[in-house]
Amino acid sequence: DVKVTQSSRYLVKRTGEKVFLECVQDMDHENMFWYRQDPGLGLRLIYFSYDVKMKEKGDIPEGYSVSREKKERFSLILESASTNQTSMYLCASTPGRSNQPQHFGDGTRLSIL
Amino acid sequence: GNSVTQMEGPVTLSEEAFLTINCTYTATGYPSLFWYVQYPGEGLQLLLKATKADDKGSNKGFEATYRKETTSFHLEKGSVQVSDSAVYFCALNTNAGKSTFGDGTTLTVKP
Repeated sequence: DVKVTQSSRYLVKRTGEKVFLECVQDMDHENMFWYRQDPGLGLRLIYFSYDVKMKEKGDIPEGYSVSREKKERFSLILESASTNQTSMYLCASTPGRSNQPQHFGDGTRLSIL
Repeated sequence: GNSVTQMEGPVTLSEEAFLTINCTYTATGYPSLFWYVQYPGEGLQLLLKATKADDKGSNKGFEATYRKETTSFHLEKGSVQVSDSAVYFCALNTNAGKSTFGDGTTLTVKP
C-alpha cells in the first residue's frame, strides 16, 4: 500500500516565522501535490511537482514556495507566516498516468498566532 | 477549464436509508472520475473510480456510474450505516494525475 507521511499532525507557529511542512511518499510516484483545505472552500491546490527539482504553481501559490530535491520528498514552505494561512494542509502523490487516484497523507493542521 | 459540481450538504440520514450524492462535471477530453471519502481527522482516501464511459465503480456498498451523456457520476448506497458519516468528494483527472475536486458533501448518519 502507498503511504504518504506528513511530518506533523498539528503545528502552532507565530506570525512572521518561516514554516516548513514536510511530505514523504514511499511508492516512487512522479507527481506530488500540496493542498489547503478550509471550511466551505474545499481543496485548493497550492503547488505541484511532476519530477525532482520541478514545480508548478497551482491555484493559490501566493505566500508559499516548495522544494523537491528528492523524488520521495516534497516540502511546502511558508516564507513569512500570516494568520490567514491557518488551515489544514494536505499532501498527495500519484503516478504519472492520468487514470490513477491521488494518495493523501493525514494532513497537518497549522495554526498561525 | 475543468470543474466539478457536487450536491451541497450537509446531508443527514437515518441508518439504513438510501443515499445519493449528485456530482456533475465539465472537462475537455475523457477524464477519469473518482469519489474520495474523508473521515474526521484524516486525509482523503479513494472510495471508488471509473475510467471510461458506462464504467461502474463500486466499493463497500457504494456505487457510481460514469455517464458521459449527462456528464455525471452520482454516488449511491442502498443502506447507510453510522460508520459512513464522513465528507465525500467527487473528482476528475485529465492529465498527468492532476485532479479537480468538488467542494465536498458532509454526510451524517444517525442511529
